[in-house]
Amino acid sequence: DGGITQSPKYLFRKEGQNVTLSCEQNLNHDAMYWYRQDPGQGLRLIYYSQIVNDFQKGDIAEGYSVSREKKESFPLTVTSAQKNPTAFYLCASSISGTGGNEQYFGPGTRLTVT
Amino acid sequence: DAKTTQPPSMDCAEGRAANLPCNHSTISGNEYVYWYRQIHSQGPQYIIHGLKNNETNEMASLIITEDRKSSTLILPHATLRDTAVYYCIVRVNYGGATNKLIFGTGTLLAVQP
Repeated sequence: DGGITQSPKYLFRKEGQNVTLSCEQNLNHDAMYWYRQDPGQGLRLIYYSQIVNDFQKGDIAEGYSVSREKKESFPLTVTSAQKNPTAFYLCASSISGTGGNEQYFGPGTRLTVT
Repeated sequence: DAKTTQPPSMDCAEGRAANLPCNHSTISGNEYVYWYRQIHSQGPQYIIHGLKNNETNEMASLIITEDRKSSTLILPHATLRDTAVYYCIVRVNYGGATNKLIFGTGTLLAVQP
């Protein structure tokens, strides 16, 4: 089946540790995105990539890093510099990074840092 | 991108039409209206989008006022599975504009049996 997968669904880490969240898509989409969602809030854009080997900061990039070495993969690393890492993280992709293409979302990873 | 205003919550009886309003009074001529929904603890799902004409697909209808300052998403026969947070998003839709979505807090639609 075509789609976006994120793993794991739940992730627990100790404070001070870096953690990498996986996002894979087999839709042959050029663009991929990472959002963060806090309880009762809308989604906020962390990073996005319009094409392989290129990515840009979103609205809340501090404390996060990404890579886009392959078209189908866009992993997000939550570093120890992120002050409030506990959140629901959502990955999305679209055919293109420009224009009005609809975004397809993965099921999300709920990260808890204690 | 223009700001949108939605009621925080609405109820709807199962089988009835759900009409979700959205105000976007500062919308500009090249901005489209998009609707997504998010069922609890899942990723958002695209529903529909439009510029100025009314649009309909297998999920919903989108009615945009003539002055484009507001719109209504209509789910014609709501079911319990339509219970979700519905987001109205306004954004530019042309080549060159980065395809970013700005989510507000949306409307929580509760479909009652």
